[in-house]
Amino acid sequence: GQQLNQSPQSMFIQEGEDVSMNCTSSSIFNTWLWYKQDPGEGPVLLIALYKAGELTSNGRLTAQFGITRKDSFLNISASIPSDVGIYFCAGQIPGTYKYIFGTGTRLKVLA
Amino acid sequence: EPEVTQTPSHQVTQMGQEVILRCVPISNHLYFYWYRQILGQKVEFLVSFYNNEISEKSEIFDDQFSVERPDGSNFTLKIRSTKLEDSAMYFCASSALPYEQYFGPGTRLTVT
Repeated sequence: GQQLNQSPQSMFIQEGEDVSMNCTSSSIFNTWLWYKQDPGEGPVLLIALYKAGELTSNGRLTAQFGITRKDSFLNISASIPSDVGIYFCAGQIPGTYKYIFGTGTRLKVLA
Repeated sequence: EPEVTQTPSHQVTQMGQEVILRCVPISNHLYFYWYRQILGQKVEFLVSFYNNEISEKSEIFDDQFSVERPDGSNFTLKIRSTKLEDSAMYFCASSALPYEQYFGPGTRLTVT
């Protein structure tokens, strides 16, 4: 079945640094969603991407839908302590309403 | 800002018992979903629901699971006979179109 691999699995960064994480698969997806999850809470939608090559920003966050439709990346600029959490990508399987979630990237920001 | 709500926040049940997890999706949304997340793992799709019927389900969503939209506001997930391995966070999500899904805070199910 389809799988989404996220890298890195976890990362420590200094406050103020930029962060980049990505999500890759051997399968194509129609829509990419990026979520942030804090401990004990539900995922919060950050960015949605609909077309191959699309680049979308939401404040300090920028995400791109890979041209092959098999990958996506998320960048966070000038990280702050509240960026700490787990970031998940999710891809929509073509022809379905089903989303597959990635394995997650755990971000820790050092003040 | 409208949000998805879920009750209860934590449910403890004994193996073999039935549980019903409840969700109130965002009011103008038409697509509804259930996901689960075993502690420390990724979010797993269970089922999607549109126009009063299941549109997709995963292999996890076997005959022990069912969903229902009993009225215009609630969306429920029933597990008929719980197993230890059903212990997880269960998230409801909703969307206006089958794209941007908004998640609730989750119900932590503990099966003993």
